[in-house]
Amino acid sequence: EVQLVESGGDLVQPGRSLRLSCAASGFTFDDYVMHWVRQAPGKGLEWVSSIDWNSISIGYADSVKGRFTVSRDNAKNSLYLQMNSLRTDDTALYYCVKDLGGGAFDIWGLGTLLTVSS
Amino acid sequence: EIVLTQSPATLSVSPGEGATLSCRASQSVSSNLAWYHQKPGQAPRLLIYGASTRATGIPARFSGSGSGTEFTLTISSLQSEDFAVYYCQQYNNWPMYTFGQGTKLEIK
Repeated sequence: EVQLVESGGDLVQPGRSLRLSCAASGFTFDDYVMHWVRQAPGKGLEWVSSIDWNSISIGYADSVKGRFTVSRDNAKNSLYLQMNSLRTDDTALYYCVKDLGGGAFDIWGLGTLLTVSS
Repeated sequence: EIVLTQSPATLSVSPGEGATLSCRASQSVSSNLAWYHQKPGQAPRLLIYGASTRATGIPARFSGSGSGTEFTLTISSLQSEDFAVYYCQQYNNWPMYTFGQGTKLEIK
């Protein structure tokens, strides 16, 4: 079964850092582009970041550029999101997402909740 | 940044009836558009990609059409499990993706 399991979400103060992780299973992880998508409470979906299979091509939403860093460890079938200088508007459920192959997002994890508050 | 505008914001439909949801892009995304739905407390699920191709396991009552800047998701004969929030997403500009703001499909 194809599965993505996020972890690392927590309650943190503004300005602090946190790293999210995503464990992938059931597919050949290093064949696929991977993404992070977030959803603030009661709001819509926001694309956060993408990373290709060999970590050469990476992209970020303007709202997180310069603060967040995406990475992957293909040997561990894992995706990461290092988040620095956190702000209250980063509060959201963060989803780890697998690319279908071409850009659509076909497999989603259940998400991990980040709350940024003093 | 490509902006996707979905309409209407809320659509009230009776079970068994059909529904048409729209997504407009601020510039051409070719056919690089996907549709998802999200039920409360669940992760989004891919319905349509490539503007008109149904994802694995998606019933035939879901159909997508359009290209360029105008896209439509049509759901025929709504079932109870279809009432959810629907999002469109463009993936024409790697690696800058965007979602529409969503359309809530509710039971009339």
